[in-house]
Amino acid sequence: DTAVSQTPKYLVTQMGNDKSIKCEQNLGHDTMYWYKQDSKKFLKIMFSYNNKELIINETVPNRFSPKSPDKAHLNLHINSLELGDSAVYFCASSGHGSSYEQYFGPGTRLTVT
Amino acid sequence: GENVEQHPSTLSVQEGDSAVIKCTYSDSASNYFPWYKQELGKRPQLIIDIRSNVGEKKDQRIAVTLNKTAKHFSLHITETQPEDSAVYFCAATDYKLSFGAGTTVTVRA
Repeated sequence: DTAVSQTPKYLVTQMGNDKSIKCEQNLGHDTMYWYKQDSKKFLKIMFSYNNKELIINETVPNRFSPKSPDKAHLNLHINSLELGDSAVYFCASSGHGSSYEQYFGPGTRLTVT
Repeated sequence: GENVEQHPSTLSVQEGDSAVIKCTYSDSASNYFPWYKQELGKRPQLIIDIRSNVGEKKDQRIAVTLNKTAKHFSLHITETQPEDSAVYFCAATDYKLSFGAGTTVTVRA
């Protein structure tokens, strides 16, 4: 039933570790996104994929690597985690790109200690 | 790139009163202006949106206005209720969605 799902919901890890967040949408959308929401609630786009192809990459450190195995899935792998990576990461999808409603996943709260 | 500014950052209103949130954008090519509501600990959800060929849109107690010349758009909530308490984000898109910094709305019973 869930339109956009993410796992895990919470992630607590130490600096220097590598972690992944998974996202799946069952809406049949072509476009998927990763957003970062910091402690001040500011929402900023990180990446966007359209039909498995990267179309937006917003000056994100190359420790962050998105992967889209098919258009229903978009995963985010983070290497060498830093304290500043602590945030809530939201996956989202939309039917026809950024000019249409985006459906957000429940978020993954990442805490780096 | 697009720069969206949102004011005020916090807004406290008495139940039943109106709330207004204002945003400005920088890129005249932006053509889609959604508003998202985020309750505490939850995901952002679209509450209303407007396209650049429309000046005003209304959905029950919520309305949005757009002034393309001035590059302003606003959210109006009438007859506020406690369940309207949340963070509201405006956004604008040319090729990607750029969000404002958010407005924390508190409706006092």
